[in-house]
Amino acid sequence: ETGVTQTPRHLVMGMTNKKSLKCEQHLGHNAMYWYKQSAKKPLELMFVYSLEERVENNSVPSRFSPECPNSSHLFLHLHTLQPEDSALYLCASSQRRTGGHEQYFGPGTRLTVT
Amino acid sequence: DAKTTQPPSMDCAEGRAANLPCNHSTISGNEYVYWYRQIHSQGPQYIIHGLKNNETNEMASLIITEDRKSSTLILPHATLRDTAVYYCIVRASYTGNQFYFGTGTSLTVIP
Repeated sequence: ETGVTQTPRHLVMGMTNKKSLKCEQHLGHNAMYWYKQSAKKPLELMFVYSLEERVENNSVPSRFSPECPNSSHLFLHLHTLQPEDSALYLCASSQRRTGGHEQYFGPGTRLTVT
Repeated sequence: DAKTTQPPSMDCAEGRAANLPCNHSTISGNEYVYWYRQIHSQGPQYIIHGLKNNETNEMASLIITEDRKSSTLILPHATLRDTAVYYCIVRASYTGNQFYFGTGTSLTVIP
């Protein structure tokens, strides 16, 4: 138990569906992240919310839309996904501070796009 | 952030120490060394980090060479539950918040 929870843990959706992934951190951190991990590939950073400011990876398609209503909650809204978007989606949080800031990850949402 | 090089896989006998090496020859003075691990299909787990001194916590020890060009993560008494992919990451504390995960070392603990 890392203090970062994600729901749902598994999701199957069609290409025309709209769904949202939810992440909540109970650690009092001030930064949250979405990562994508495709099969046999390294983790890819998708979005960072730090002190309520969003930092994007420019290669993330617009069919992924993040939302961070407060420092404890992070959403990833999904619409018109492609089969290649099937992956493990991981949320993480950290506390920005001097001297390094380790990230704590949730268990992930296993997404399958059919 | 500096690039790291790790062996793709290693085996370790249960109960023995697991020593996982990492090369980071281009590391700069303000960059920390972090270690994470990922058990199959779970989120990565933070293990330890350090700047230039050796560090120890309840999970592992981190040994950083004097020139800081390489480091070793030591799991003192490996168990079957330590079977995972171990990532060595080097990053500066001020560069945004990104961690760049490579392909890591797949450690298999053998009974």
